[in-house]
Amino acid sequence: DTAVSQTPKYLVTQMGNDKSIKCEQNLGHDTMYWYKQDSKKFLKIMFSYNNKELIINETVPNRFSPKSPDKAHLNLHINSLELGDSAVYFCASSQHSSNTGELFFGEGSRLTVL
Amino acid sequence: AQTVTQSQPEMSVQEAETVTLSCTYDTSESDYYLFWYKQPPSRQMILVIRQEAYKQQNATENRFSVNFQKAAKSFSLKISDSQLGDAAMYFCAYMNYGGSQGNLIFGKGTKLSVKP
Repeated sequence: DTAVSQTPKYLVTQMGNDKSIKCEQNLGHDTMYWYKQDSKKFLKIMFSYNNKELIINETVPNRFSPKSPDKAHLNLHINSLELGDSAVYFCASSQHSSNTGELFFGEGSRLTVL
Repeated sequence: AQTVTQSQPEMSVQEAETVTLSCTYDTSESDYYLFWYKQPPSRQMILVIRQEAYKQQNATENRFSVNFQKAAKSFSLKISDSQLGDAAMYFCAYMNYGGSQGNLIFGKGTKLSVKP
């Protein structure tokens, strides 16, 4: 079983549409994240949730809204998609109390906005 | 704000040889983590090696080792006996200890090619 799984892995859509990417982790971790990797491969954190509570919210347009129904799931909903939203979005998880600092990443979801 | 710099956009190594990837960072914190992640063409982000700043001993994981120079804020990755499967993007990353854990700050990456 994949520890951190994201769906869909590929998503092609038109400008203006609304789309969601789902993420689930089966590691029993209490903290989940969304990272964005742009076309130049640069990775940057977008959000993090600890036990369903938002703890990091970087400068991200309001069109992006994370939703955490439980601590094993963190979904990313994007409204009114723009061309610049095209990127690979990575979900990750960790155990906040762990002293390793290690994050476990999903395989990424490549979003292409036409 | 913390920053991570990888000054080598691309590197190449002959199979079975050794290569060193450079990374420098800037922080005013004394406790933090440093990481090297590997991203092969499959896109999966794979942790290669981790270093806690309070540990003076350099971390090693099989063929992978780091040279951690805290005063110089340098954290290079050495890959020994390079294999074809080592070809990937390598990202150096920094994380504060405590506080906003999980907020990894990445460098821009180094693309490593391995020649047979």
